[in-house]
Amino acid sequence: EADIYQTPRYLVIGTGKKITLECSQTMGHDKMYWYQQDPGMELHLIHYSYGVNSTEKGDLSSESTVSRIRTEHFPLTLESARPSHTSQYLCASSEGRRNTEAFFGQGTRLTVV
Amino acid sequence: GNSVTQMEGPVTLSEEAFLTINCTYTATGYPSLFWYVQYPGEGLQLLLKATKADDKGSNKGFEATYRKETTSFHLEKGSVQVSDSAVYFCALSDPGNGGFKTIFGAGTRLFVKA
Repeated sequence: EADIYQTPRYLVIGTGKKITLECSQTMGHDKMYWYQQDPGMELHLIHYSYGVNSTEKGDLSSESTVSRIRTEHFPLTLESARPSHTSQYLCASSEGRRNTEAFFGQGTRLTVV
Repeated sequence: GNSVTQMEGPVTLSEEAFLTINCTYTATGYPSLFWYVQYPGEGLQLLLKATKADDKGSNKGFEATYRKETTSFHLEKGSVQVSDSAVYFCALSDPGNGGFKTIFGAGTRLFVKA
């Protein structure tokens, strides 16, 4: 069973609010990732981190930001939520080696009204 | 860059039918290949993997063989069940600065009817 947790599972929030999606893992993985999943189910990498104090933009441009102050914690922040941010957000971690898989949290479904 | 292409869904099958979901990849070097499954309302979980050419990954009756000559990693199951209804993602490990990250295909939704 994967030891990676996301909170909240569901969030409905008004336009303009600041939100933080939490992601924590207890596996000691250096590599962590945030994906945005659209209704067609395709995954888009929006942020990743190779370790503490390392953050990189992913393939899909996003207005969100991330931080990695501790190995186990990789929160995602939206300073001012908009309806276009409505989506499913998935956090993952891995050892980041060639033959190792990624472990996913259960996701946060965000709705901005 | 490296990429993964998998067949479009949805795929609808009757229970006990044979399943194939096609996956091909483009990569430099020798990536590891993975199939992930996403059940409704959940995150992704690893279904099986293969780390070198001709390796066969298998789990829960699903199989896939790493075919370097055809750059393919097709997912198969001999007899699907209603509980196999989910979205399936083919993926590969992509080398980058600082370590590998996973490149996913677009996903294929499978519906299995009783």
